[in-house]
Amino acid sequence: AQSVTQLDSQVPVFEEAPVELRCNYSSSVSVYLFWYVQYPNQGLQLLLKYLSGSTLVESINGFEAEFNKSQTSFHLRKPSVHISDTAEYFCAVSDRGYSTLTFGKGTMLLVSP
Amino acid sequence: DAGITQSPRHKVTETGTPVTLRCHQTENHRYMYWYRQDPGHGLRLIHYSYGVKDTDKGEVSDGYSVSRSKTEDFLLTLESATSSQTSVYFCAISETRDRGTGELFFGEGSRLTVL
Repeated sequence: AQSVTQLDSQVPVFEEAPVELRCNYSSSVSVYLFWYVQYPNQGLQLLLKYLSGSTLVESINGFEAEFNKSQTSFHLRKPSVHISDTAEYFCAVSDRGYSTLTFGKGTMLLVSP
Repeated sequence: DAGITQSPRHKVTETGTPVTLRCHQTENHRYMYWYRQDPGHGLRLIHYSYGVKDTDKGEVSDGYSVSRSKTEDFLLTLESATSSQTSVYFCAISETRDRGTGELFFGEGSRLTVL
């Protein structure tokens, strides 16, 4: 069985500050890893994913995440956040596509001016 | 945006009444999923379907049933709604689960309140 732990339920930051949202997973097999974002009153949408290859993956809006196999982590980072990044972020894991996705409980990113 | 429509978007009902939520897709994707989202629990899988008439249980399937008679429609039924089923329900679709990208496309959600 696989599981995901998002260590922070809420992360408040000021605009233009850096941020890191933490995600740890457990699985007995190799995994695919994902970050989804949910803006208020909307469904989730994919932010970025790790399938294989380079352990550092990036999104089009400046977020990046690094797959660390030894620490079983997939933390999400952004060097400078904007007000518009305020949303809930979900980390998710799949055992290489052979199972359904398991989601973490989410981290609410609150960006203030 | 992926063509996923959930209906109704909002519903208030009373304990003990049956409720059906509908998910309709125009993408012809094989896999369809129903999740519920609750504060402090994230998203939890209720049921999913891997083809017409092919469904399987997720981690929180008790009290729910599903049906898929056409590729484009996936129905979630609460036979006798309880207050613990008050939640936001999301439908999701994916092209393939096995060795695919794993990307899910989500609908906008259906907010159900059971009084």
